[in-house]
Amino acid sequence: GESVGLHLPTLSVQEGDNSIINCAYSNSASDYFIWYKQESGKGPQFIIDIRSNMDKRQGQRVTVLLNKTVKHLSLQIAATQPGDSAVYFCAENSIYGQNFVFGPGTRLSVLP
Amino acid sequence: EPEVTQTPSHQVTQMGQEVILRCVPISNHLYFYWYRQILGQKVEFLVSFYNNEISEKSEIFDDQFSVERPDGSNFTLKIRSTKLEDSAMYFCASSETGGAYEQYFGPGTRLTVT
Repeated sequence: GESVGLHLPTLSVQEGDNSIINCAYSNSASDYFIWYKQESGKGPQFIIDIRSNMDKRQGQRVTVLLNKTVKHLSLQIAATQPGDSAVYFCAENSIYGQNFVFGPGTRLSVLP
Repeated sequence: EPEVTQTPSHQVTQMGQEVILRCVPISNHLYFYWYRQILGQKVEFLVSFYNNEISEKSEIFDDQFSVERPDGSNFTLKIRSTKLEDSAMYFCASSETGGAYEQYFGPGTRLTVT
């Protein structure tokens, strides 16, 4: 039969609120993680990364949290803006490798 | 700001035909990558390329696929005999020193195999 694509989970937030996007990764040996943003019709765009020797890293308006115990990654976006509307996905790998495993993504929708 | 460009933006081909997807990486970058994203599914790594050879490839990148840097500016992905399941968005990326944090992605080529 015809394969069915993934139905992306959607997170809707009010403009100005904080957003939290979650990702469960699969490989306990992964030691490097990236969050990407993908706007409609565009390629993925690097947002922030974190290595496994850290549990938190902050960028401009974004924070990534890593919980290795439960293999969970989250992306926090402060004061969400309309321009933040996109699909966000995490990727995991060894820091020395290039074969990243990507998560399915979450669609962030910012409401006016 | 420099950017990765890809041509064509949309390619339609018949099953069994060969296609070449083209990418122009950022000029001072040395590492090049291809990814694909089947509609509604995850981005998948295909191959990385450095110093005129493949440095890493995934299980998807079988003998039907090849990459080439034919000149100083282009980076191509060839699919020898396309299958229906090759229909996807193909993204090229490049980086200066091989770090994933500095990969710049192109806008993608949508390949439709009929």
